[in-house]
Amino acid sequence: QVTLKESGPGILQPSQTLSLTCTFSGFSLSTYGMGVGWIRQPSGKGLEWLANIWWDDDKYYNPSLKNRLTISKDTSNNQAFLKITNVDTADTATYYCARILITTVPHYFDYWGQGVMVTVSS
Amino acid sequence: DIQMTQSPSSLPASLGDRVTITCRASQDIGNYLRWFQQKPGKSPRLMIYGATNLAAGVPSRFSGSRSGSDYSLTISSLESEDMADYYCLQSKESPLTFGSGTKLEIK
Repeated sequence: QVTLKESGPGILQPSQTLSLTCTFSGFSLSTYGMGVGWIRQPSGKGLEWLANIWWDDDKYYNPSLKNRLTISKDTSNNQAFLKITNVDTADTATYYCARILITTVPHYFDYWGQGVMVTVSS
Repeated sequence: DIQMTQSPSSLPASLGDRVTITCRASQDIGNYLRWFQQKPGKSPRLMIYGATNLAAGVPSRFSGSRSGSDYSLTISSLESEDMADYYCLQSKESPLTFGSGTKLEIK
């Protein structure tokens, strides 16, 4: 059974660094073809893809967030991480992590976490 | 970046109606198109992958189709549990891009 769960600070101030953790079970990020992605959603708005990390440590980022994103993983503890530097109020959103699986083709986001709300406020 | 233009943004419909939501891709994405359903306060749920394939556990009243660069999600006979937001996603190339969403609501 695949499960994912996000955790984060809840609230932080502008200019701080947001650190998010995705703890998952039912798959391993050391297994060929596995990946985890991060997606966010401001309240009442649409979905925005942020970053992916793969079993081989390959990483992809949304260029719209320029160089503010860093994705990483800890395969021993079944966790993936996302850091966003220099946050502002526009980063207020629910953040999701989701699984990616490559078989003959990539299967993006077949399982999702419940999401974690993050508020940026002074 | 590949733009996904989703329409309509809002779709009032009655129970039993046949409804269709469309995404148009700004570049060729082949069949790298997914549809997600999101109910209020919940995480998105994968409904369709590879443009036309039903994800596990999804009712057969849902279907996906493609005509050129236009991708459609159709519900053949709307049920109350289908009232939700729907999003398309292109996974042909990075950056992955979602459509802007369609709110399906009871007329």
